[in-house]
Amino acid sequence: QSVLTQPPSASGTPGQRVTISCSGSSSNFGSNTVNWYQQVPGTAPKLLIYSDTQRPSGVPDRISGSKSGTSASLAISGLQSEDEANYYCASWDDSLRRVVFGGGTKLTVL
Amino acid sequence: EVLLVESGGGLVQPGGSLRLSCIASGFTFSSFDMHWVRQVKGKGLEWVSGIGGSGDTYYPGSVKGRFTIGRENAKNSLYLQMNSLRVGDTGVYYCARGVIPGPVYSYYGMDVWGQGTTVTVSS
Repeated sequence: QSVLTQPPSASGTPGQRVTISCSGSSSNFGSNTVNWYQQVPGTAPKLLIYSDTQRPSGVPDRISGSKSGTSASLAISGLQSEDEANYYCASWDDSLRRVVFGGGTKLTVL
Repeated sequence: EVLLVESGGGLVQPGGSLRLSCIASGFTFSSFDMHWVRQVKGKGLEWVSGIGGSGDTYYPGSVKGRFTIGRENAKNSLYLQMNSLRVGDTGVYYCARGVIPGPVYSYYGMDVWGQGTTVTVSS
């Protein structure tokens, strides 16, 4: 059972906009920032979003993050076949004193 | 080029020990918090430990008392000493760099990852 809750799957067609949700609590999202990772099976995770909304260099602006209270979302617009991957949210948890991950969402491009 | 290269994985019996290493290059290693994250095949990501630039360390309950994270800034090296290994510790272990330099508890994300090293605990 993950501390952060994500839907196990999401899907969309090329060109569409999809969002992936992540639900936390006051001890993580309530006082710390959220970050998002993309992982293609067999490869290392890639940071997409940090500090709730910031994109590292090289991440396209069709990818965005948001947070409100204890919930966060990752949005991907102009969906492409290369976006098919697993996506994870993460944050620091003040009560557990550790980094916590969501269980991951498998995004399928139909 | 910013790079992290892990080594030290392998096959070990339950109850055994293993030491993972991660060599960093292309950035000021001593300034950044560093982390170990593992992944069981077909499962999600699990944070295993973190160490700040000043040496503060944190662990989840699942490995506390069995795993020890360490760093040697002069050698741009990160380590993970794993003792009393269990079958459930099997997986790919990644080292990763904190995106914003600071202590572990001011965690903002991990922007550079190694390729991973595989640990298999089995009799």
